[in-house]
Amino acid sequence: GAGVSQSPRYKVAKRGQDVALRCDPISGHVSLFWYQQALGQGPEFLTYFQNEAQLDKSGLPSDRFFAERPEGSVSTLKIQRTQQEDSAVYLCASGPEGSYNSPLHFGNGTRLTVT
Amino acid sequence: AQTVTQSQPEMSVQEAETVTLSCTYDTSESDYYLFWYKQPPSRQMILVIRQEAYKQQNATENRFSVNFQKAAKSFSLKISDSQLGDAAMYFCAYRRAYETSGSRLTFGEGTQLTVNP
Repeated sequence: GAGVSQSPRYKVAKRGQDVALRCDPISGHVSLFWYQQALGQGPEFLTYFQNEAQLDKSGLPSDRFFAERPEGSVSTLKIQRTQQEDSAVYLCASGPEGSYNSPLHFGNGTRLTVT
Repeated sequence: AQTVTQSQPEMSVQEAETVTLSCTYDTSESDYYLFWYKQPPSRQMILVIRQEAYKQQNATENRFSVNFQKAAKSFSLKISDSQLGDAAMYFCAYRRAYETSGSRLTFGEGTQLTVNP
């Protein structure tokens, strides 16, 4: 597709459930980032992939959060045993190689609500 | 660690007038990039304008321009001839240069801009 695609657009989970959020980056993009955006706040970095390698996961808030990008394209962010504080918009962004000098392209995000 | 601060949670402007959104940041780096992103209700982050720290000239993109004061670590966005479509949440963001292991964006808290007809 022409842009970064994220699914689902909305997700409601009961506390304790596991969820999986998907990101389809722009074809050929090497870099992929996940961000968490709480209501009324700016996005916060979660993790970074370069192709299939997860080079930085320092932003993941707990070991309940896990991300993968096994073939260097589609990425999945998984949250186990969801808690209410996990409610947020999860944004994915991709960029070409050398992304520090190139703008990132963002998806529309997945809004997760944990009840 | 780098921090980005936007001290104006909300701003409003009359259509066709000019508004300035403020941003300050803290870093010990000498080379970096600064950005303004717009986030409408669709939630997609849209790049408005970018400034490279080593360039003294302020960036401009049509009706959007910045006032980059490197010594003061200030990076404000001026929107001229405001349009109804400019209404959105605006985020200031910082990014390190020359980061080989991925260069994350650090965002401010955002400024909600309302454009009144």
